[in-house]
Amino acid sequence: DTEVTQTPKHLVMGMTNKKSLKCEQHMGHRAMYWYKQKAKKPPELMFVYSYEKLSINESVPSRFSPECPNSSLLNLHLHALQPEDSALYLCASSPRLAGGSGANVLTFGAGSRLTVL
Amino acid sequence: GENVEQHPSTLSVQEGDSAVIKCTYSDSASNYFPWYKQELGKGPQLIIDIRSNVGEKKDQRIAVTLNKTAKHFSLHITETQPEDSAVYFCAASTGGSTLGRLYFGRGTQLTVWP
Repeated sequence: DTEVTQTPKHLVMGMTNKKSLKCEQHMGHRAMYWYKQKAKKPPELMFVYSYEKLSINESVPSRFSPECPNSSLLNLHLHALQPEDSALYLCASSPRLAGGSGANVLTFGAGSRLTVL
Repeated sequence: GENVEQHPSTLSVQEGDSAVIKCTYSDSASNYFPWYKQELGKGPQLIIDIRSNVGEKKDQRIAVTLNKTAKHFSLHITETQPEDSAVYFCAASTGGSTLGRLYFGRGTQLTVWP
């Protein structure tokens, strides 16, 4: 299995809703990432987990809350979002953050398209 | 931090022609340079990468060259096909305090006309 699977593919939510995005990989990767991508822009890093511990938080607002329950799963909990948070949310994984050939080669999922009304 | 510039922002070629996309980077400590292809409605897909100890790498119709002295790297696609149409992103990464971060270029929209 060489895929990163993201659910749901599409999500529409109001500003008062609470929802979650889910990501799963079975490649044995120990680093997992959340990126946000606006139309016609490159992906922007949000969070990085390494061995299930939060390694990087790129000063993301607290209305986005990441969670890594185990080495295969990554969640992004959403609460009180704003319309400007509408974007494609990409999950990615890599063997690890450092050390050895291919350690930081990212595999991306197809993304979850989020619309905030 | 690292700054990656990518040119051109759009590129149109006839099927069968070659396409070249160029990127420059600012941090001489960068040591890993991947290229991603993103088709409409999909996530980025790694198509080729190169590390700083190598000057050129090829995979069928795709090649990447790296000039560490000038701090630039390029993607070359030969014999282009309509299915090569997509947005291409270059990126750079390094270790140390920026471990885990990929710095992306702004992307190139490649259109291959049949």
